[in-house]
Amino acid sequence: DTAVSQTPKYLVTQMGNDKSIKCEQNLGHDTMYWYKQDSKKFLKIMFSYNNKELIINETVPNRFSPKSPDKAHLNLHINSLELGDSAVYFCASSQDIRRLFFGSGTQLSVL
Amino acid sequence: GEDVEQSLFLSVREGDSSVINCTYTDSSSTYLYWYKQEPGAGLQLLTYIFSNMDMKQDQRLTVLLNKKDKHLSLRIADTQTGDSAIYFCAETDDGGSQGNLIFGKGTKLSVKP
Repeated sequence: DTAVSQTPKYLVTQMGNDKSIKCEQNLGHDTMYWYKQDSKKFLKIMFSYNNKELIINETVPNRFSPKSPDKAHLNLHINSLELGDSAVYFCASSQDIRRLFFGSGTQLSVL
Repeated sequence: GEDVEQSLFLSVREGDSSVINCTYTDSSSTYLYWYKQEPGAGLQLLTYIFSNMDMKQDQRLTVLLNKKDKHLSLRIADTQTGDSAIYFCAETDDGGSQGNLIFGKGTKLSVKP
């Protein structure tokens, strides 16, 4: 069974659209994360979510919003997509900071 | 703010040793990490080292930590073609209390047969 799964794997959309990426973890972890990896492979944290506490990277535009229906899920909703949002988005989870478990990524292409 | 630096590329021949280097800025990091990313996949934790250790060995992997110089290295002995991947160094943010990792830009390791 996949520990951290995210869907879709590929997402191609037009500028201005709203889209969501889903993430689920079956590890029973308390903390989930969203990371963005740009075309140069630079990986940057966007959000972490732990026991209903959301910690936001201040550089993330407010068009991005994480939504957690329960402890096992942390979805990422993006409004008014822009060209610069094209990247690979990784979901991750952890029980403690010593080990993060990553999903396989969602490649978002905004045209 | 915290920053993690690594060289972007490394090319070795199969069977040689690979050494990937990293420098970091946050001296309060409790742990330092090496993650591996294979093409089309997410990152996987390779190993981590507690900040009061100088060295950690795990099979073909050796991690060296020079806390004074804030320098971390990963040595892969007998490098194989399957080791070709991007290797990310990471440190904990805010001394580990916040639970976020700061990643370097990754070193792409190419192993030639």
